[in-house]
Amino acid sequence: AQKITQTQPGMFVQEKEAVTLDCTYDTSDPSYGLFWYKQPSSGEMIFLIYQGSYDQQNATEGRYSLNFQKARKSANLVISASQLGDSAMYFCAMREGRYSGAGSYQLTFGKGTKLSVIP
Amino acid sequence: DAGVTQSPTHLIKTRGQQVTLRCSPKSGHDTVSWYQQALGQGPQFIFQYYEEEERQRGNFPDRFSGHQFPNYSSELNVNALLLGDSALYLCASSLRAGVQLFFGEGSRLTVL
Repeated sequence: AQKITQTQPGMFVQEKEAVTLDCTYDTSDPSYGLFWYKQPSSGEMIFLIYQGSYDQQNATEGRYSLNFQKARKSANLVISASQLGDSAMYFCAMREGRYSGAGSYQLTFGKGTKLSVIP
Repeated sequence: DAGVTQSPTHLIKTRGQQVTLRCSPKSGHDTVSWYQQALGQGPQFIFQYYEEEERQRGNFPDRFSGHQFPNYSSELNVNALLLGDSALYLCASSLRAGVQLFFGEGSRLTVL
């Protein structure tokens, strides 16, 4: 089974409008974290936002917010006031389990959603 | 403050050859992870290095190997290249126990 599912291969949004990118996840581990990354054509993965499984409030970072619905196992990214520079691939990712004591975490990524912002 | 740097940015190899990709982590970071991103897919975890040892490994064959140096930089080696190894190889660095990964722009490998 897919651990991270992004069902929208592509999305279009008008400039200055808000857009929601969907992400559902599958884990039986009570300790996990969810990430959103942006990947422009340059290839670099740019960190946007993080939500821990025990965090009580939804994460926000500027124009980005994460709509975390634990019971539904969804972690949708909301981008407010879209800008032309937001056009890129967006990936949802998850880390599972407690810290092992050495190194850091490995991430499992979804297949991504291509967002196109229309002027 | 330099971020994660990778080299080379692009390279072309033929089947059966070997390749070495290099990564310098963000200043102060001691943990390096490598990911493979095939065209149209999300990145897949290859392995992670900390204190010059491989700490975690994804579902990749032994043809994929790596190394971490005392200055925390890292190499990814792939032997006996296959057409299916064509991909963008991403290096990510983090602090020990750090949640946030910082990625480089990747090395795009084409195997002919």
